[in-house]
Amino acid sequence: EDKVVQSPLSLVVHEGDTVTLNCSYEVTNFRSLLWYKQEKKAPTFLFMLTSSGIEKKSGRLSSILDKKELSSILNITATQTGDSAIYLCAPSSNTGKLIFGQGTTLQVKP
Amino acid sequence: EAQVTQNPRYLITVTGKKLTVTCSQNMNHEYMSWYRQDPGLGLRQIYYSMNVEVTDKGDVPEGYKVSRKEKRNFPLILESPSPNQTSLYFCASSLRRQAHEQYFGPGTRLTVT
Repeated sequence: EDKVVQSPLSLVVHEGDTVTLNCSYEVTNFRSLLWYKQEKKAPTFLFMLTSSGIEKKSGRLSSILDKKELSSILNITATQTGDSAIYLCAPSSNTGKLIFGQGTTLQVKP
Repeated sequence: EAQVTQNPRYLITVTGKKLTVTCSQNMNHEYMSWYRQDPGLGLRQIYYSMNVEVTDKGDVPEGYKVSRKEKRNFPLILESPSPNQTSLYFCASSLRRQAHEQYFGPGTRLTVT
């Protein structure tokens, strides 16, 4: 059965801290892994990772995939209160199926 | 403006009364999908479609039907809603057939009493 586990489930930090969010997966016919950010509305796309070891960056956010370890991390440096959200990891299969993890709830305090 | 639209945004209904939640995208995307989001359970895929007339079950398809007669529309049908289908529903679409970068609609809050 396909499975996605994110850790930690929740995290409270102060502005300026660096955080690392983890995602491990077991997915049949894995194709790619996607990261989303969800505030009080629909999820918004952050990254799509298909190749192991290649870091994707967008401003203070970066992510990398390790296909051997079946895992991915999302890093946020110099966190800001606007980073407070639920971060969702979602591996996809070749069949088009997308499986979301439970998410990591990040709270950034001023 | 490129977007995914859902209607209605909020719906309160009674057990057994058939309903349809519409989803439409104007980006000529091939892939469309429906999810439900429940506290503690995260986002779960109900059905997805990689092309017109092609639909597949996600993780929680029971109690739902979908159709993809046109590329832009992917309605979600609840033939006989039950209280355990009370949830927040999202429609999403992506350009390519596999589940690449997905754009989500604003969500439909459904309550079944």
